[in-house]
Amino acid sequence: DADVTQTPRNRITKTGKRIMLECSQTKGHDRMYWYRQDPGLGLRLIYYSFDVKDINKGEISDGYSVSRQAQAKFSLSLESAIPNQTALYFCATSDSGRGGTEAFFGQGTRLTVV
Amino acid sequence: ELKVEQNPLFLSMQEGKNYTIYCNYSTTSDRLYWYRQDPGKSLESLFVLLSNGAVKQEGRLMASLDTKARLSTLHITAAVHDLSATYFCAVDIYSGGGADGLTFGKGTHLIIQP
Repeated sequence: DADVTQTPRNRITKTGKRIMLECSQTKGHDRMYWYRQDPGLGLRLIYYSFDVKDINKGEISDGYSVSRQAQAKFSLSLESAIPNQTALYFCATSDSGRGGTEAFFGQGTRLTVV
Repeated sequence: ELKVEQNPLFLSMQEGKNYTIYCNYSTTSDRLYWYRQDPGKSLESLFVLLSNGAVKQEGRLMASLDTKARLSTLHITAAVHDLSATYFCAVDIYSGGGADGLTFGKGTHLIIQP
């Protein structure tokens, strides 16, 4: 089983719909992140959380919200999906107890908004 | 605002040749990471560089970090087809009390031809 699991892996949704992407981890890491990948743009940080009570906006948080339900679970919501939110979304974790913030990534969720 | 620039963004090379991918960043940091991504897959951590002058090698890949020049390089020696992938560098601004997640370059799409 993967250490960082994202569900669903693929999703097609209509404009205006609410959608939630879920992430769970078994690595025991305290930090969790949501990134978005678009062709030619690399990965951009949407939100990050250092623990259950600490949620922070990243570079491109507009149109997104998150919830850290437990140390192991971090979900990303699109309240009203729009076509330019079509992208590949990655959840990642890291451990604050180690030097550096090497991130470990889930398998990704490919989201298409039509 | 931290900016991370990779070059080249696209590289086609022949097996057996050597080449270097460059990663420049705009703000002082001594934490840099290299990742590999195969098409449709997640990101795999390759190297973690945490100090000036750090050099790490794995097989035909070698990464180095010069924090004074704000430059990291990923050198490929005697390339083989299996190294075809997209390579990302990512920089972490560690503020002591926490980090803001990783800022990624746009990636170098590497194709190695027989």
